[in-house]
Amino acid sequence: GESVGLHLPTLSVQEGDNSIINCAYSNSASDYFIWYKQESGKGPQFIIDIRSNMDKRQGQRVTVLLNKTVKHLSLQIAATQPGDSAVYFCAETPGGYNKLIFGAGTRLAVHP
Amino acid sequence: DGGITQSPKYLFRKEGQNVTLSCEQNLNHDAMYWYRQDPGQGLRLIYYSQIVNDFQKGDIAEGYSVSREKKESFPLTVTSAQKNPTAFYLCASRGPQRSANEKLFFGSGTQLSVL
Repeated sequence: GESVGLHLPTLSVQEGDNSIINCAYSNSASDYFIWYKQESGKGPQFIIDIRSNMDKRQGQRVTVLLNKTVKHLSLQIAATQPGDSAVYFCAETPGGYNKLIFGAGTRLAVHP
Repeated sequence: DGGITQSPKYLFRKEGQNVTLSCEQNLNHDAMYWYRQDPGQGLRLIYYSQIVNDFQKGDIAEGYSVSREKKESFPLTVTSAQKNPTAFYLCASRGPQRSANEKLFFGSGTQLSVL
């Protein structure tokens, strides 16, 4: 709801620039990772996922990079648009959707 | 138009009152989930159900109860035992593993506040 996203780290970018949102995950046994986008007053929306046997996966305008050595996940958004403004969450799981662990999120603010 | 419907969008609870949040899906998904979202925190799992007439506690089940009498419906009751119920509640469903609908689909949420 309206209270989601308070006190979150914020990434501010200009429209048209590329955005990189980072996430440090906690469990070295995690083998599946997901990025979600949440707009104000709405539920999270799936963006892209990646399994631990991959380092990189590309979607439409988005790329997820996985560095298992340092337990780091990043989401790259190309040519950022105003509609990309939202809170972005990463989630990890060592064993299925019943054990998903969500990060606190990063707010992306896109300026014209 | 397939999806997950949560109602109401806003709900107010008085001291000592139980309230029930509705979640309905027409995606024909077996698995359904309830999450709680607090400002500045990630989603935390309250309860989940993988099949009708069966459900399991998540990480923060105390003060909550659920039922799964129908595949389409997974209502969450916030009981008077939940001392800090103010939060944004999200319902989700998931299709079969290793299918195109394997990922979680979320509803639009219910904001619960205490009067």
